[in-house]
Amino acid sequence: DIQMTQSPSFLSASVGDRVTITCRASQSISTYLNWYQQKRGKAPKLLIYAASSLQSGAPSRFSGSGSGTEFTLTISSLQPEDFATYYCQQSFNTPAITFGQGTRLEIK
Amino acid sequence: QVQLQESGPGLVKPSETLSLTCTVSGYSISSGYSWGWIRQPPGKGLEWIGSVYHSGTTYYKSSLKSRVTISLDTSKNQFSLRLSSVTAADTAVYYCVRDHEVNGMDVWGNGTTVTVSS
Repeated sequence: DIQMTQSPSFLSASVGDRVTITCRASQSISTYLNWYQQKRGKAPKLLIYAASSLQSGAPSRFSGSGSGTEFTLTISSLQPEDFATYYCQQSFNTPAITFGQGTRLEIK
Repeated sequence: QVQLQESGPGLVKPSETLSLTCTVSGYSISSGYSWGWIRQPPGKGLEWIGSVYHSGTTYYKSSLKSRVTISLDTSKNQFSLRLSSVTAADTAVYYCVRDHEVNGMDVWGNGTTVTVSS
């Protein structure tokens, strides 16, 4: 299985901050990397697919980059509704996909 | 608008079989895509369980393969999950998803909580 490792696991930030979350794959996955946002008690939502493509309906302050084994999710200016847990997911081995362990983003 | 809704028992006894159904509206599951199940144990991350393609071909997580069956019912526009010989470790929120494969899972059900307990 391809292992996905996110860092940090926990992040405290303020409204208006620029935030970056990193996801590393245990082997090269080209750009087969997706990002999800999960709010407490809710289902995850797809934010970014294919490493850098913004899912329809996702705010433009979210962006993704990277290829190979290292990827980043950036929120350009944190909004109150962005405080949530974020997961990366590799689709290189689809359908046998795997997720990162999650990054919990909380208000400072 | 495509919507998915999970249904099934919220409580299953140890060693029994967990059975869930996902009802799809707004799209015919026989037309395309892959349809999958994801679970999330309390306070933990997301785990892919398995998927079924619109053709009926199935794929399962290797560690669960001996216990999992996913199937399509195109007449009802539903797909189902069966997980046998459950233990407390199978307690989780179970989500059904539409899988765009390399482009991610773009539609999720609300999730259903399944507790394994006697």
